[in-house]
Amino acid sequence: DSGVTQTPKHLITATGQRVTLRCSPRSGDLSVYWYQQSLDQGLQFLIQYYNGEERAKGNILERFSAQQFPDLHSELNLSSLELGDSALYFCASSVAPTSGYAQFFGPGTRLTVL
Amino acid sequence: QQQVKQSPQSLIVQKGGISIINCAYENTAFDYFPWYQQFPGKGPALLIAIRPDVSEKKEGRFTISFNKSAKQFSLHIMDSQPGDSATYFCAATTRAPWEYGNKLVFGAGTILRVKS
Repeated sequence: DSGVTQTPKHLITATGQRVTLRCSPRSGDLSVYWYQQSLDQGLQFLIQYYNGEERAKGNILERFSAQQFPDLHSELNLSSLELGDSALYFCASSVAPTSGYAQFFGPGTRLTVL
Repeated sequence: QQQVKQSPQSLIVQKGGISIINCAYENTAFDYFPWYQQFPGKGPALLIAIRPDVSEKKEGRFTISFNKSAKQFSLHIMDSQPGDSATYFCAATTRAPWEYGNKLVFGAGTILRVKS
């Protein structure tokens, strides 16, 4: 158990809908990262937050957005969903940049868009 | 230049054998190289990591070998066991400048099967 929690575990929805994925980092970690894992694209970085502020952005679609709240939990919002958005979405956290750069992953949310 | 190339795509090893997975990178700014293990339906779990000022790091049966000049690093699993059967990902990141964050760039993954 990495200490990172994600909810829900599974999500099934229809095209055009909007969903919210939630992540709670390990205690004390200020950095939160979101990654997407799909069969054709592998593990891809989406976005990083540090202490409530966006720090880095990957190839995140404009239909996707995220935020980190004062209690450090993070939410990833996916809107106007398409079939191709079906994937595993992982959240990771780390103590970076204070010390060490190891990222610890949560169990993921499996999103299925029908 | 941001890619990390991983090979082989899949690997079958006998129980007790050595599993070797290789990765190569182009971006010389990468300075932290972790390996992750992922079981079906689970999140990637950090196995072991290395920084480029060290050529080898060992933790139990897992060893990372790092060749800075060749821009390659590899994972060796000694005395491989059926319980090691999983997908292994190498990754890389830069720790500076912090202003740009420290995203992980992942290899494509290697599916390891250890036969008993």
